[in-house]
Amino acid sequence: SQKIEQNSEALNIQEGKTATLTCNYTNYSPAYLQWYRQDPGRGPVFLLLIRENEKEKRKERLKVTFDTTLKQSLFHITASQPADSATYLCALALSGGGADGLTFGKGTHLIIQP
Amino acid sequence: DTAVSQTPKYLVTQMGNDKSIKCEQNLGHDTMYWYKQDSKKFLKIMFSYNNKELIINETVPNRFSPKSPDKAHLNLHINSLELGDSAVYFCASSHTRERRYGYTFGSGTRLTVV
Repeated sequence: SQKIEQNSEALNIQEGKTATLTCNYTNYSPAYLQWYRQDPGRGPVFLLLIRENEKEKRKERLKVTFDTTLKQSLFHITASQPADSATYLCALALSGGGADGLTFGKGTHLIIQP
Repeated sequence: DTAVSQTPKYLVTQMGNDKSIKCEQNLGHDTMYWYKQDSKKFLKIMFSYNNKELIINETVPNRFSPKSPDKAHLNLHINSLELGDSAVYFCASSHTRERRYGYTFGSGTRLTVV
């Protein structure tokens, strides 16, 4: 069966360090993968998208890698800050066209300790 | 403000009642979605509409009926509410040809059935 797994219930990182979050999937061939941030009581907010033919994407302190052979995406936050504390969701889209919905992982709760 | 707005933010109702949640987006997107986030924070797609046409209808009870009067609106009507319907419901929208901007989510409607 299809599965998306994100590492651990909570990830504690010291301020200033790099936080690395993992998204593994099985039995999918995604056209692209997205990362979202969700704060308590709020809707997910889009951060980055990476396509199946791309290896890496960057945006300010954020970096996403996508390895379709390993079926894994890594999400990095460099120079982490307490304000980065949130739940981060990985989402897959199965097709590149049409009104495809996203399939989400359960998310990783990231806590940046001052 | 450009956004996806949904109302109400909180909804407490008794079992067996019928209720509606409204969603509007002013982003000019052509696709709108309803997602359900359960108590374990798992976000799952329910419906997808593209230009007022139903595209995705995941396995949800037929007590749930989406209605899209125009491209900017997607309402969710729920009949005969059950305890298990308690969750947070998110509306989202996207532009099918501009995927690099991801999906925009509303702030959610917390439905509690008592």
